Amino acid sequence: ETGVTQSPTHLIKTRGQQVTLRCSSQSGHNTVSWYQQALGQGPQFIFQYYREEENGRGNFPPRFSGLQFPNYSSELNVNALELDDSALYLCASSPPHGKGDEKLFFGSGTQLSVL
Amino acid sequence: DAKTTQPPSMDCAEGRAANLPCNHSTISGNEYVYWYRQIHSQGPQYIIHGLKNNETNEMASLIITEDRKSSTLILPHATLRDTAVYYCIVRPGTTDKLIFGTGTRLQVFP
Repeated sequence: ETGVTQSPTHLIKTRGQQVTLRCSSQSGHNTVSWYQQALGQGPQFIFQYYREEENGRGNFPPRFSGLQFPNYSSELNVNALELDDSALYLCASSPPHGKGDEKLFFGSGTQLSVL
Repeated sequence: DAKTTQPPSMDCAEGRAANLPCNHSTISGNEYVYWYRQIHSQGPQYIIHGLKNNETNEMASLIITEDRKSSTLILPHATLRDTAVYYCIVRPGTTDKLIFGTGTRLQVFP
């Protein structure tokens, strides 16, 4: 089975620009979530997508948005980039939910630098 | 959301057991304890999870106290490749919203 894959691996943008990050979920997984990890900190939950709709959101402004496609892949879009958006962006996927004991698997992330 | 408390760093000699503690005193009855680790600049790697019984897999063992307020991750024979940041997480319900703390930085030395 294929794991969670993210693209691109590295990206450099300037302040005010927009960026789109992509994620392919692991085979059989229908839920995708996104995390932001600033240098030296633990990952912070941005939002989760299930059945192509946002299904839970962390403390992030509306300029962080996403999409999930019928094949369960996902995009994270960030508008009006700020310097503090520089971080490792992680995508994670999980299988259909039941009791809460489903394993969540992470991709290797996209390192975004905003100059 | 239940929070966890972990020591910021630990050392372990190669070949010895590494025991990483975690406190989660506000855990609810249906919340699972998950452990992930992260090697520099890579995505977090799933290690193990449990509800109330002790668990073991090919990577590690998880010991959860009877009152579920704390747990210990055990790496039975630590290797240099186990050097990483280890995160103890209480997973709320059926969401994928994992609340990461600052974790424990485990350094395995020769």
